[in-house]
Amino acid sequence: KNEVEQSPQNLTAQEGEFITINCSYSVGISALHWLQQHPGGGIVSLFMLSSGKKKHGRLIATINIQEKHSSLHITASHPRDSAVYICAVRSNSGGSNYKLTFGKGTLLTVNP
Amino acid sequence: GAVVSQHPSWVICKSGTSVKIECRSLDFQATTMFWYRQFPKQSLMLMATSNEGSKATYEQGVEKDKFLINHASLTLSTLTVTSAHPEDSSFYICSAEGGFGTEAFFGQGTRLTVV
Repeated sequence: KNEVEQSPQNLTAQEGEFITINCSYSVGISALHWLQQHPGGGIVSLFMLSSGKKKHGRLIATINIQEKHSSLHITASHPRDSAVYICAVRSNSGGSNYKLTFGKGTLLTVNP
Repeated sequence: GAVVSQHPSWVICKSGTSVKIECRSLDFQATTMFWYRQFPKQSLMLMATSNEGSKATYEQGVEKDKFLINHASLTLSTLTVTSAHPEDSSFYICSAEGGFGTEAFFGQGTRLTVV
């Protein structure tokens, strides 16, 4: 079982819809990252969370440490939001605590 | 956010040659840089972790003599793929962090094709 599980793997939405992508993890973490990877390959860091909730524009990220679960929400989705969204966690145990462990990503397609 | 510049964005080389990829943090000092490899439709696979001024730490299964990493300054790390083979063709991406617990910033990635 992967340490980081994302769902869904693929998501297709119509422009304007509210999007939710989920991430569950099985290890103790010091931080969770949400990343966006566009078709060209470049990766943009959207959020780094250790508790609670963060908002940036139309993007909202929440984390529940007790339940080991995080969600990324996109309000009023737009075709330019089409990308792969990746959840990554930084473990808080042992010498590997510098590494990020990545989920497999969620491919989001927003149709006009 | 902070900017990490990776160069080149794509490269085609012949089998047996070496290719150098640069990763620069443009507006912060990166104490640690990470090099990843990504196969199509797969997630990022960590190859090695490099700290400025010390030898890189390679992940299990990654040949350190084939993938040479140098982190000579707080703003530059390089990955050299030596004696490249077609199976080395992949997408390579770096990330840089200013210290433990800080945000990770990623380069644009380099698509390497070995012919």
